[in-house]
Amino acid sequence: QTVVTQEPSFSVSPGGTVTLTCGLSSGSVTTSYYPSWYQQTPGQAPRTLIYSTNTRSSGVPDRFSGSILGNKAALTITGAQADDESDYYCVLYMGRGISLFGGGTKLTVL
Amino acid sequence: QVTLKESGPALVKPTQTLTLTCTLSGFSLSTSGMRASWIRQPPGKALEWLARIDWDDGKFYSTSLETRLTISKDTSKNQVVLTMTNMDPVDTATYYCAWYHGSGRFDPWGQGTLVTVSS
Repeated sequence: QTVVTQEPSFSVSPGGTVTLTCGLSSGSVTTSYYPSWYQQTPGQAPRTLIYSTNTRSSGVPDRFSGSILGNKAALTITGAQADDESDYYCVLYMGRGISLFGGGTKLTVL
Repeated sequence: QVTLKESGPALVKPTQTLTLTCTLSGFSLSTSGMRASWIRQPPGKALEWLARIDWDDGKFYSTSLETRLTISKDTSKNQVVLTMTNMDPVDTATYYCAWYHGSGRFDPWGQGTLVTVSS
């Protein structure tokens, strides 16, 4: 069974740049998977950051960007701020109507 | 403004069937191109996509849960209903519904409803 992989945790300094990735247990992530990224803080519903690889959702600051890096999708945060400390989830469209979330990355800003 | 609100029991017993309702406002599931999904999150764990229903009554399910899930819609009430059979304590989670635009975009999400499975 295919698994969507993410780093369990990551740390970044305030003002720094961090790249989170989203891969597949088998195969490469391409734009055909429409990789999308969600931010979630405790007790809240997820918020859409990026969809369809690199389209920023309305109201999302441009320091969040999405791309394909090698065989993975990537979310880059440039100039990290304290309130970027959250859980980040990617989701891939697997075809035939099915979506699959990754295990999430807990980002610490310190 | 588009909003979604989940409702259902907060507590179910093991082996029971869970029925959750998502009430939509600001968009209609009967409109061509409209889709809605259910997604859950066990406490402290990751999001898990469960199912999707489309305006044309297309239905899609998580491969790992498809034998237990049924998604349906009531266009007259603008509601989406998810049933999950044979509930187990591992199904304890916050269940969200979300408008699926396609291209990976789930937006907005409902506030979620916590379902605990316990005897």
